[in-house]
Amino acid sequence: ETGVTQSPTHLIKTRGQQVTLRCSSQSGHNTVSWYQQALGQGPQFIFQYYREEENGRGNFPPRFSGLQFPNYSSELNVNALELDDSALYLCASSTPASGLNEQFFGPGTRLTVL
Amino acid sequence: KQEVTQIPAALSVPEGENLVLNCSFTDSAIYNLQWFRQDPGKGLTSLLLIQSSQREQTSGRLNASLDKSSGRSTLYIAASQPGDSATYLCAVTSGTYKYIFGTGTRLKVLA
Repeated sequence: ETGVTQSPTHLIKTRGQQVTLRCSSQSGHNTVSWYQQALGQGPQFIFQYYREEENGRGNFPPRFSGLQFPNYSSELNVNALELDDSALYLCASSTPASGLNEQFFGPGTRLTVL
Repeated sequence: KQEVTQIPAALSVPEGENLVLNCSFTDSAIYNLQWFRQDPGKGLTSLLLIQSSQREQTSGRLNASLDKSSGRSTLYIAASQPGDSATYLCAVTSGTYKYIFGTGTRLKVLA
């Protein structure tokens, strides 16, 4: 069974640029959630995708957007990067079929905005 | 609005000690509570998940309890080892779609 994978591992961008982060869900999981974790803080929910549709969103501006593909992998896109976007971005996959809503996390992408 | 608090923020103990990490939440209408471990700069590793109908879960040297009515959970680590050094996060979900996380407890176990 393949776990959740994310790419790239690290990324450095400058203010105003755009970035795309990628996530492959665990085998059999059709739901992907994205979280932002600033240094020293707990992860904050960005949004979730279920069967290619957005299924809930946290308190993040519209320049944070996402996609989910038919194979349930997902992308997080951030436009007009700001210094405060520097964080560890975590992807988690789950499946409602389990009835547990247990989420399995990937290793994260470390984004640095200069 | 659900808020999750973890106390203490940091903890340093000698190897072999038993210890308790605390997690409290403001809204008792949760679906489940999950404890995670995070090594520096890494992703989250799930340790234990407790459903709202359960009182505790155990895995090896770890035991997590849940008291929904008081809005509290504890993670008990027996016979701590240097390899247990990490940040421990608890998170709750109301069963919709998102986890609400605490800010974590940074644990250091001294050899």
